[in-house]
Amino acid sequence: DVKVTQSSRYLVKRTGEKVFLECVQDMDHENMFWYRQDPGLGLRLIYFSYDVKMKEKGDIPEGYSVSREKKERFSLILESASTNQTSMYLCASSLWNQPQHFGDGTRLSIL
Amino acid sequence: AQSVTQLDSQVPVFEEAPVELRCNYSSSVSVYLFWYVQYPNQGLQLLLKYLSGSTLVKGINGFEAEFNKSQTSFHLRKPSVHISDTAEYFCAVSDQGGNKLVFGAGTILRVKS
Repeated sequence: DVKVTQSSRYLVKRTGEKVFLECVQDMDHENMFWYRQDPGLGLRLIYFSYDVKMKEKGDIPEGYSVSREKKERFSLILESASTNQTSMYLCASSLWNQPQHFGDGTRLSIL
Repeated sequence: AQSVTQLDSQVPVFEEAPVELRCNYSSSVSVYLFWYVQYPNQGLQLLLKYLSGSTLVKGINGFEAEFNKSQTSFHLRKPSVHISDTAEYFCAVSDQGGNKLVFGAGTILRVKS
């Protein structure tokens, strides 16, 4: 079974901090994705990556950046956290043209 | 651009009753369609997918969905629900050339005893 592991289930940070969310997958998937999930809005794509060291903006990239130095790891970075970034963050991975597999999510609160 | 509309934000239903969760999509190209389920405090789990072929797709836990191209719909059905089916369900679409998913807003299924 594919395993997508997000480093934290719950995280509390302060406004202005630099925040790192880590995601690791163990199935050699090319594609990795970061979403945020908000009630009534479903999942919205922040960034995705089709290969090591490559990244592409999703629908809501403002205020975020990403890093993919190794194939199995995809990090989401909040450069200067703000309260409107309080949300559930979900990481996913997939092979090309195959369904995405999701981690359990990180519930991030920015105070 | 693609979009997905889930017509009901919440669906209450009694145990052992049938249920249908509705999903409509818009796209100018051929699509892949998915239903995912999210149980409380968990990530998303794939229920079923339509990539090509038969328009009636069977998934896990007794769920099925029918792809209707003329009505641009992909409704999810189960003939008899259980308490354990209480969860949030997401419909998603991707174009056949890529891997980005566009999700609907989700439908919360509440099964009552």
